[in-house]
Amino acid sequence: SQQGEEDPQALSIQEGENATMNCSYKTSINNLQWYRQNSGRGLVHLILIRSNEREKHSGRLRVTLDTSKKSSSLLITASRAADTASYFCATDERLGGGADGLTFGKGTHLIIQP
Amino acid sequence: DVKVTQSSRYLVKRTGEKVFLECVQDMDHENMFWYRQDPGLGLRLIYFSYDVKMKEKGDIPEGYSVSREKKERFSLILESASTNQTSMYLCASRDFRGADTQYFGPGTRLTVL
Repeated sequence: SQQGEEDPQALSIQEGENATMNCSYKTSINNLQWYRQNSGRGLVHLILIRSNEREKHSGRLRVTLDTSKKSSSLLITASRAADTASYFCATDERLGGGADGLTFGKGTHLIIQP
Repeated sequence: DVKVTQSSRYLVKRTGEKVFLECVQDMDHENMFWYRQDPGLGLRLIYFSYDVKMKEKGDIPEGYSVSREKKERFSLILESASTNQTSMYLCASRDFRGADTQYFGPGTRLTVL
């Protein structure tokens, strides 16, 4: 089942500008994560924010979480051509056998124009 | 660093063939996952395993089976490949005790002709 929904589906900006992507989800969460996927590759974890946190930073990444609105945003500052990729939000999901899984949104495809 | 490897980056098979996709992780993770990724549909969970020999169906298990005989290896099996199984297949693993992060392999792009 899919819970996260990213917005916009695609985003094209100039190098050096900031890129903002949003994620909305439906049910309560323990944490929300953002992943990045370069074309034709696997996903790479970027950052995790817990439900009791409102903002988190990692290098040029800034993530916010608003649990009252069930939404999160990912901001990439001073974008570079190498940031061109698809970005996915993922929320925790309890699976069978006591395993914890993730449900992913459909992603935002970010293109940085040089 | 955690490393998750998948046996093939690209694979081309014919309809009706039995297909094995292998995934190996080197960090002693208990949980392993198989997803497929299709344009417009995002990542969908096919099967997961929470321990050796333990497996559970995900959201779209039809047409697939899995095997986990050893902790580090999780195999996805297409018993009789069909054209609608043409997709990108992603394997992931997670430490049961640790953070919620999943570590992904590079993916296998499977084409069924």
